[in-house]
Amino acid sequence: QQPVQSPQAVILREGEDAVINCSSSKALYSVHWYRQKHGEAPVFLMILLKGGEQKGHEKISASFNEKKQQSSLYLTASQLSYSGTYFCGTGVYNQGGKLIFGQGTELSVKP
Amino acid sequence: EAQVTQNPRYLITVTGKKLTVTCSQNMNHEYMSWYRQDPGLGLRQIYYSMNVEVTDKGDVPEGYKVSRKEKRNFPLILESPSPNQTSLYFCASSLFHRHNEQFFGPGTRLTVL
Repeated sequence: QQPVQSPQAVILREGEDAVINCSSSKALYSVHWYRQKHGEAPVFLMILLKGGEQKGHEKISASFNEKKQQSSLYLTASQLSYSGTYFCGTGVYNQGGKLIFGQGTELSVKP
Repeated sequence: EAQVTQNPRYLITVTGKKLTVTCSQNMNHEYMSWYRQDPGLGLRQIYYSMNVEVTDKGDVPEGYKVSRKEKRNFPLILESPSPNQTSLYFCASSLFHRHNEQFFGPGTRLTVL
């Protein structure tokens, strides 16, 4: 079952902040975040692992609430280059190498 | 240059005509995976491979086959394509397993008439 992302779409002005949420009904071991620009492949942003370990880019921050099976991606002081579709991917316990992505959140940053 | 390559990038075919989409990575990654992307549905995993000769189903494996005979290659096979397999397909790889950063190929846009 796919995780649910919210909001589905958001429009920002440059410099504004945004939060994208990802929620799963399954027990999660990991949450991944990727960004995809129109016509391009998804690009890695961050991985959050159960137990608190994080791997990712310095300018991106995210949280993982292991009890609620939820993750949030925080985009601060947004720039035009932040525009794109953001996907969360979830690694579920006892599902081998499966990675299940959400439906995406479309983010537009305007000047 | 470290990369994941896919061929072909674009393909238009007809129902029932077998096709193969190739995927190759030059990073010595153990984990490889195929996804399809459809509007409003995000990325859905078709098959994945944890290592050579080890493959397993993702969420939408019906109508697809894969093989992993060499570490670098992970072809996706559609033995009898149907119009509902019209989609954008991505291959991805990561160092050890799904909990590592995945590197995506450029995508293959497939149209089945």
